[in-house]
Amino acid sequence: EVQLVESGGGLVQPGRSLKLSCAASGFTFSNYGMAWVCQAPTKGLEWVASISTGGGNTYYRDSVKGRFTISRDNAKNTLYLQMDSLRSEDTATYYCARRSLLPGYVMDAWGQGASVTVSS
Amino acid sequence: DIVMTQGALPNPVPSGESASITCQSSKSLLHSNGKTYLNWYLQRPGQSPQLLIYWMSTRASGVSDRFSGSGSGTDFTLKISSVEAEDVGVYYCQQFLEYPLTFGSGTKLEIK
Repeated sequence: EVQLVESGGGLVQPGRSLKLSCAASGFTFSNYGMAWVCQAPTKGLEWVASISTGGGNTYYRDSVKGRFTISRDNAKNTLYLQMDSLRSEDTATYYCARRSLLPGYVMDAWGQGASVTVSS
Repeated sequence: DIVMTQGALPNPVPSGESASITCQSSKSLLHSNGKTYLNWYLQRPGQSPQLLIYWMSTRASGVSDRFSGSGSGTDFTLKISSVEAEDVGVYYCQQFLEYPLTFGSGTKLEIK
């Protein structure tokens, strides 16, 4: 069974850092691109960042470029999101998602989410 | 960025009736490979999103055939025939023609 389990969320002050992890199991992690998608309270889904299978290619939405870093450790089957210089508008639930092997960008498996609250 | 605009439903929808959710993109999502790069997801209350439809009209594994996707390059429809209680939630369309990947604002389905 495919499983994605996020961890590392919590309450953090503006300007500080937080690192999210997403532990993958039930599939060959290194064969799949991965992504982070966030959802602010009572709001819709917003793509944050994506990473290729080997980690050599990364993509970010403009609002997090230079502040967030997506990475992965294929030996540990784990995806990461390093979040620096956090702002109140980064408050959201962050989901990791698997990019399917189909052409295009189809996210076919999602974690349960990690909650991040940025507040003083 | 490609803007995705979703329509609303006349909630609540009576159980057993059909429901159609619309989504419009600001740019054609027709890829050069002939596929249309649009997905549909359902987020049930308190749950994470799940894939329903990809390439505009292909149902994901395990998805009921009550769900069907159709459209053109910029106008799309997710139809749910004979809605059931388990269909309650928010439906999102998402384009993956180019970065940044963008979602519609979501369409809520309530059942009567």
